[in-house]
Amino acid sequence: DQQVKQNSPSLSVQEGRISILNCDYTNSMFDYFLWYKKYPAEGPTFLISISSIKDKNEDGRFTVFLNKSAKHLSLHIVPSQPGDSAVYFCAASAGGNNAGKSTFGDGTTLTVKP
Amino acid sequence: DAGVTQSPTHLIKTRGQQVTLRCSPKSGHDTVSWYQQALGQGPQFIFQYYEEEERQRGNFPDRFSGHQFPNYSSELNVNALLLGDSALYLCASSLYIGTDSNQPQHFGDGTRLSIL
Repeated sequence: DQQVKQNSPSLSVQEGRISILNCDYTNSMFDYFLWYKKYPAEGPTFLISISSIKDKNEDGRFTVFLNKSAKHLSLHIVPSQPGDSAVYFCAASAGGNNAGKSTFGDGTTLTVKP
Repeated sequence: DAGVTQSPTHLIKTRGQQVTLRCSPKSGHDTVSWYQQALGQGPQFIFQYYEEEERQRGNFPDRFSGHQFPNYSSELNVNALLLGDSALYLCASSLYIGTDSNQPQHFGDGTRLSIL
């Protein structure tokens, strides 16, 4: 039972346009959500996060939206740049005894075309 | 500021053998987590170490064990290797802040383990 799902394996957008990456989760105990970016032959790099008490968090070109009732979050990248081409992982974690244990989706490969 | 370092970068083993992977956390971090990433999938949590003890464990068999040293570095040991253990093994570090889950992890570049 996959608790974090990224249903789009790949996404291709034109440079300058918006990229929207989606993520769904099933575990209602998750209270912290993160997006990581991964380039080939490198480990994942933290991009942006959001707590379950918020519905939006913005950092420069990156914005994460959280819809708790739908158990859905999305990452918006505006404007998209060729350097944003990478695999993006959605991750979630719960507090309490499960703090620090992150559950990842299978990733979405973003390609930004010049 | 040194990030998370892992060794070796690549490793080839045969079925039934044992392997040890190593990780040094980012400077200032005291907690180390290990993940297994199979091809085409996201990282799967194996376990987490803090204060030299295993604090959290994912759904992995006892063949997977670990250790944390007083300098916070860590080892992942896998016994009786199976073909299905072929994967990228990622180490991640963070600073323990109690039961508050609000912190990202810093990842190393991983060890690519191939089982023949």
